[in-house]
Amino acid sequence: ETGVTQTPRHLVMGMTNKKSLKCEQHLGHNAMYWYKQSAKKPLELMFVYNFKEQTENNSVPSRFSPECPNSSHLFLHLHTLQPEDSALYLCASSQGEISGEVEQYFGPGTRLTVT
Amino acid sequence: GQNIDQPTEMTATEGAIVQINCTYQTSGFNGLFWYQQHAGEAPTFLSYNVLDGLEEKGRFSSFLSRSKGYSYLLLKELQMKDSASYLCAVRDSNYQLIWGAGTKLIIKP
Repeated sequence: ETGVTQTPRHLVMGMTNKKSLKCEQHLGHNAMYWYKQSAKKPLELMFVYNFKEQTENNSVPSRFSPECPNSSHLFLHLHTLQPEDSALYLCASSQGEISGEVEQYFGPGTRLTVT
Repeated sequence: GQNIDQPTEMTATEGAIVQINCTYQTSGFNGLFWYQQHAGEAPTFLSYNVLDGLEEKGRFSSFLSRSKGYSYLLLKELQMKDSASYLCAVRDSNYQLIWGAGTKLIIKP
């Protein structure tokens, strides 16, 4: 595997379910991110982890719970979601939250539908 | 508040040139990024500007004017595979990326 991988690619869940999204980066990066992408809206940054420590939580509802066990893996635990949470969830990684031409590398995303 | 504006959709012809504009109002500026995102795929990095002027990479060029809060992405010799969404993002004073909603570019034969 190369780059950033995400599983599952598609997920349909009911509002009472509990599920988890997984992200793995094979680039040796130190920072990992969760984004939400809804149709025709800007990417919304949800969480940032830098060296396994959470450095940003952009007012995300508690029904979304991130976990970063090491610098290569990132999870997003989901429970009691709402239909408006249906979106594409993108994981990204980068060398770190530093200046310079530090681009983020994105995974293919998980298309989540909440019924 | 922080804001990134770019056109929602543009149409261009194969072989032609197209310019996608991006204007921004952010708290601080630490660089501007352009990403390409094909439908159903991950965004991929295209360019980075932190100083005023034009950066050229093959068929793609990106321009920045910090005093005007303005950037554009110029695509030359358009190919059908360039049909995608183009995302503008600015890194603010906290080094967070603020994203535009993206411009969907449709290429016609």
